[in-house]
Amino acid sequence: GQNIDQPTEMTATEGAIVQINCTYQTSGFNGLFWYQQHAGEAPTFLSYNVLDGLEEKGRFSSFLSRSKGYSYLLLKELQMKDSASYLCAASDSNYQLIWGAGTKLIIKP
Amino acid sequence: IAGITQAPTSQILAAGRRMTLRCTQDMRHNAMYWYRQDLGLGLRLIHYSNTAGTTGKGEVPDGYSVSRANTDDFPLTLASAVPSQTSVYFCASSTSGMTDTQYFGPGTRLTVL
Repeated sequence: GQNIDQPTEMTATEGAIVQINCTYQTSGFNGLFWYQQHAGEAPTFLSYNVLDGLEEKGRFSSFLSRSKGYSYLLLKELQMKDSASYLCAASDSNYQLIWGAGTKLIIKP
Repeated sequence: IAGITQAPTSQILAAGRRMTLRCTQDMRHNAMYWYRQDLGLGLRLIHYSNTAGTTGKGEVPDGYSVSRANTDDFPLTLASAVPSQTSVYFCASSTSGMTDTQYFGPGTRLTVL
């Protein structure tokens, strides 16, 4: 079957760095997305990786290893506003997105 | 309108009633989607439309129907609501296919009693 695994919850300190991992098993693969979702709000796009390697975008970076079925989202210089859920989603052979349940990130002062 | 809107924001509905959730986008996106989001589960695709006039079934289509008469609107209908359809419903759109960035509406919180 198709599956996305990511930790349910993580806690980090303001100003620190946190890495949120995601592993996926899909029939075929057409890319990996990360979205941010604040409580009670809609998901918003953060990143898309289709090739192996690291993509950096300001304080956020995303990494993909296709051979390992693994991705991570790296958040640097954490701010209180980064408290949110982070959703990992993989595109399968039919170009449908398979979504993880999300990782709730709690930032402490 | 800027982006993608949904109505109503929230609704409490008696089981067995018919309900239509509305979704409108002004970005001229070809593709539109309906998801439900339940606690502890990932977003699950209900139905999608790659372009006006076409629709397709997602992962959890039973009990739901959609139509796509034009580019902007993509309503979701529950013909006879059941309590298991209590959820938060998100509409989304993208330029073309699912490997494009999806833009989400604010969501509709539906409770079926």
